Order: sequence, then structure tokens, then C-alpha cells
Amino acid sequence: EAGVAQSPRYKIIEKRQSVAFWCNPISGHATLYWYQQILGQGPKLLIQFQNNGVVDDSQLPKDRFSAERLKGVDSTLKIQPAKLEDSAVYLCASSSPGDRDYNEQFFGPGTRLTVL
Amino acid sequence: AQSVAQPEDQVNVAEGNPLTVKCTYSVSGNPYLFWYVQYPNRGLQFLLKYITGDNLVKGSYGFEAEFNKSQTSFHLKKPSALVSDSALYFCAVRRSNDYKLSFGAGTTVTVRA
Repeated sequence: EAGVAQSPRYKIIEKRQSVAFWCNPISGHATLYWYQQILGQGPKLLIQFQNNGVVDDSQLPKDRFSAERLKGVDSTLKIQPAKLEDSAVYLCASSSPGDRDYNEQFFGPGTRLTVL
Repeated sequence: AQSVAQPEDQVNVAEGNPLTVKCTYSVSGNPYLFWYVQYPNRGLQFLLKYITGDNLVKGSYGFEAEFNKSQTSFHLKKPSALVSDSALYFCAVRRSNDYKLSFGAGTTVTVRA
């Protein structure tokens, strides 16, 4: 089966600019996650969707970050305006609730964001 | 709250020698434990998981991990390391009734020929 797709793979922007990332989960996976991985740290969950509803966005900096999953499939994560500390790899993952693998999360390749 | 500690930033071993990557966790209730590996410019790849049952879990690429409830540990092991095992390894934990994964900071493994 096809894996989780993300684009772009790399993005370089100036601080205060806006940027958007796209994720297409594994077909049929109802749950989608966005993680932020800062260099030297483990991934940190930003937001979790169940279909097109938000389950957990407690660690999403809502003053500048937003995410949507309008049709319950693809998702976009936006940063506006970007700060230097937003430089990180943004990982998208998906899982299928109720499957026998106990909601194992499958990760995409990530988008590496550099804010100058 | 739940958390994972990976006490070693780096592990260096010679090819053919045993490899151990340490992980301890803190979580309320029964833990679900995972190991992921990350190669440069790649996403996280699943290696193995502990849900219930046998404390010794076998996973991909010859890796295994031992769940120790009394020590709250889930160390990753491989009897004979390969140069191709050089990568960044993450331990993660979640509660049995929750989707939220908490990751450790990662351990960089370098296997020298």
C-alpha cells in the first residue's frame, strides 16, 4: 500500500513569511497527526484529527499555526507568520482506529522547514 | 502525564557486536511501547511494539526489545549490529486508551566497520 505522502520536502523562508505543508494519509486511515521535530529532540504532537474533527490541539501554537482536514482525507498545516524557532521537520502520520495493530502510526518523510 | 527517557545521546559499536539502546518510560496505567528508526532525510519507520503478553518482543531487521515493568524499561537490542543499522532511534509510549504518543529525544547509533 502507498505510504503517507508529504510535500514539499524542503522549504526555506524568511521570518514573518507564511508557509503551508500538505499531507495525504494512507487510504482509509481516519486518524491523522502532525508532529514537529526540532533538531536534537523527539517528535512533538501538534494536532490530531479524527476524520475532519480535531481530537487534540493542545500543543498547537494557535496564534500562528493552523491546520485543517476539510474532507477527512488530506490535511494542510500552515504557519503565519513564521519565527526562527519554527525551523524543524514537520511530520505527518496516520493510523486506522480499531485495527488489530493497536493504532500503529505510519509516518511520512517529513517537510524540513528552515526559517532565516 | 507520560514521558520517555533515552539516557544516551549516542551509542557506538563495532559491526558484529551486540547493540543495546536504552529506554525508560513513565505513564499511568498499562503502557503501549514502540521503537521507531529514522534514517537521514526519511520519516520514522516502525521497528516493533509491546502491547501485552510476552515481555520479549521481536521486530524488523533482527531487532528485539524487552519490556520490564518493574524497571519501567523497554530497551532495544540486536545481537549482531550491522553498519546499515546506523541511524537515529526513538522510543515512544502511550496509554492503552489513548492515541497520543510521547517520544524520547532519540539515540544516534553508529556502527563502525
